[in-house]
Amino acid sequence: NAGVTQTPKFQVLKTGQSMTLQCAQDMNHEYMSWYRQDPGMGLRLIHYSVGAGITDQGEVPNGYNVSRSTTEDFPLRLLSAAPSQTSVYFCASHRAQANYGYTFGSGTRLTVV
Amino acid sequence: GEDVEQSLFLSVREGDSSVINCTYTDSSSTYLYWYKQEPGAGLQLLTYIFSNMDMKQDQRLTVLLNKKDKHLSLRIADTQTGDSAIYFCAESYGGATNKLIFGTGTLLAVQP
Repeated sequence: NAGVTQTPKFQVLKTGQSMTLQCAQDMNHEYMSWYRQDPGMGLRLIHYSVGAGITDQGEVPNGYNVSRSTTEDFPLRLLSAAPSQTSVYFCASHRAQANYGYTFGSGTRLTVV
Repeated sequence: GEDVEQSLFLSVREGDSSVINCTYTDSSSTYLYWYKQEPGAGLQLLTYIFSNMDMKQDQRLTVLLNKKDKHLSLRIADTQTGDSAIYFCAESYGGATNKLIFGTGTLLAVQP
């Protein structure tokens, strides 16, 4: 059972480039989320999805787009990368029941130069 | 708005107990969680506590919840070098969607 798989693990982008961070889960979880982790700031929610075809904004959505065409996949798109988007990005999935907690991917370390 | 606060750093000697503290703001949170992040890895759920409980024990881990003061703590007994990691507390909000808001994380350094 793979859990949550994120690709790539590392990426360097130039300012203005676009790219897609991939996230896939094989646990049939309804909910999926994207977080970014920055030093001293914990994890901040970018976008989340409560099911296929349904997405919503989190705390820091600007500069990012998401879609959820299947239960398994939840890609995060950077439209025009900026140095402020240098961060570690985590995808997570979870069931509706709160006591199961979230399952996280291993992260994508993105540097924008 | 919601805010979850933790101290940034804790250093203990191997074999001692570690206590990591957290304060939260949303009194309607149903569950509170502790996650562990090892270097270069994602977060892993350690334990959780339901909001109507005061304490939960799971092997070396003890979670204490003071709802009146909105204070959560994680005690690790007999701390080992393998416990060195960043520990995040998190509170649930958003009702049925179970969104989480995370603290800033506490780096636990265990000295041999």
